[in-house]
Amino acid sequence: SQKIEQNSEALNIQEGKTATLTCNYTNYSPAYLQWYRQDPGRGPVFLLLIRENEKEKRKERLKVTFDTTLKQSLFHITASQPADSATYLCASEGYQKVTFGTGTKLQVIP
Amino acid sequence: NAGVTQTPKFRILKIGQSMTLQCTQDMNHNYMYWYRQDPGMGLKLIYYSVGAGITDKGEVPNGYNVSRSTTEDFPLRLELAAPSQTSVYFCASSHRTDTQYFGPGTRLTVL
Repeated sequence: SQKIEQNSEALNIQEGKTATLTCNYTNYSPAYLQWYRQDPGRGPVFLLLIRENEKEKRKERLKVTFDTTLKQSLFHITASQPADSATYLCASEGYQKVTFGTGTKLQVIP
Repeated sequence: NAGVTQTPKFRILKIGQSMTLQCTQDMNHNYMYWYRQDPGMGLKLIYYSVGAGITDKGEVPNGYNVSRSTTEDFPLRLELAAPSQTSVYFCASSHRTDTQYFGPGTRLTVL
């Protein structure tokens, strides 16, 4: 079955800098990967979906890449703000269900 | 649209008690899911359903049961609650295996 690996260590960055989060998948190349944001005590909220044939996708200050050679997706937040502090989850589509990574906690320091 | 709603928000159970966590979605999604999330951990899939009348086990189904009699509702039943079931439970729905919409969660404590 698919396994999604995300850096479990928290990422601390200075406000205004670009945050980069990594997601690696171990088995088959999924048709698409998704990124979600989760705030403490709340359910995850969908941010972006990138398909296998899309190298890059953008939404406002967010950018996601998909590298099938490296089996990796990168999630970037440019001009980060303290309000971007949250846990970010990567998810891989699979047969009838989605596999989530454990998430990376991002802390943006003012 | 209310999206995905879950009740109750909080619940404390004694060991051995039973309860049903309710989940309703108003987006006419075929796919529905139940996850549990322990503190500092990722989401673990308990059960899922690809349509009314169809359910299947996820990663951690033991101690739980589900039913899906309508498109809108996907209740999760806990029989004989155990301390290991203390967790936050999230219900989610999706059109296919793409964007999932999550409910606000139910925080369950078993003492």
